Amino acid sequence: QAVLTQPASLSASPGASASLTCTLRSGINVGTYGISWYQQKPGSPPQYLLRYKSDSDKQQGSGVPSRFSGSKDASANAGILVISGLQSEDEADYYCMIWHKSAVVFGGGTRLTVL
Amino acid sequence: EVQLVESGGGLVQPGGSLRLSCAASGFPFSSYVMHWVRQVPGKGLEWLSRISHDATITTYADSVKGRFTISRDNAKNTLYLQINSLRAEDTAIYYCGRDRDLIFFDYWGQGTLVAVSS
Repeated sequence: QAVLTQPASLSASPGASASLTCTLRSGINVGTYGISWYQQKPGSPPQYLLRYKSDSDKQQGSGVPSRFSGSKDASANAGILVISGLQSEDEADYYCMIWHKSAVVFGGGTRLTVL
Repeated sequence: EVQLVESGGGLVQPGGSLRLSCAASGFPFSSYVMHWVRQVPGKGLEWLSRISHDATITTYADSVKGRFTISRDNAKNTLYLQINSLRAEDTAIYYCGRDRDLIFFDYWGQGTLVAVSS
């Protein structure tokens, strides 16, 4: 079982909100991890969006709009990237990341389609 | 302006070796932990390795341990990745990334493509 699991794809309408999940493997407690999120558009490298550990321990990337936010669902053992007011330019691949046992782990990525 | 520029990729035969470089500018390179990450075209991101600011600590993904070697030359503001015994499955875009506090990557290079084929 992968350390981080993301749904392969998600579709949402312009103006709506999208919640992208990043589920941690059983036995790895989401509460102890800060989860960072990256956006990648075709032909470009990933770009840092934000990091979320708790409401008191979070960081927004430089220039990243506030409509991108992070949260957690402890019952689902998952980190969540919420994108509100979806725009066509938000169509991209999104990756979550954690530090786990002195190594970096990426989720498999979610392709967000805005249609 | 922070810039990371990878180079050294190309077409290599299976079993060959390659050294990738990442030239850094616009920030005090010697103060930052640096990483290598790769991405098979159309697939997800795979972390490969990191190196401490002074090169005293290196860490590798299990999948590349023993074949990949990360290094840096702080005098030249350059990060390296030596890849030996190349395999077809090493075909990917290789990115370097700057670490922030062992928490996230705040800057990425544009990547260099490595293609392994006979």
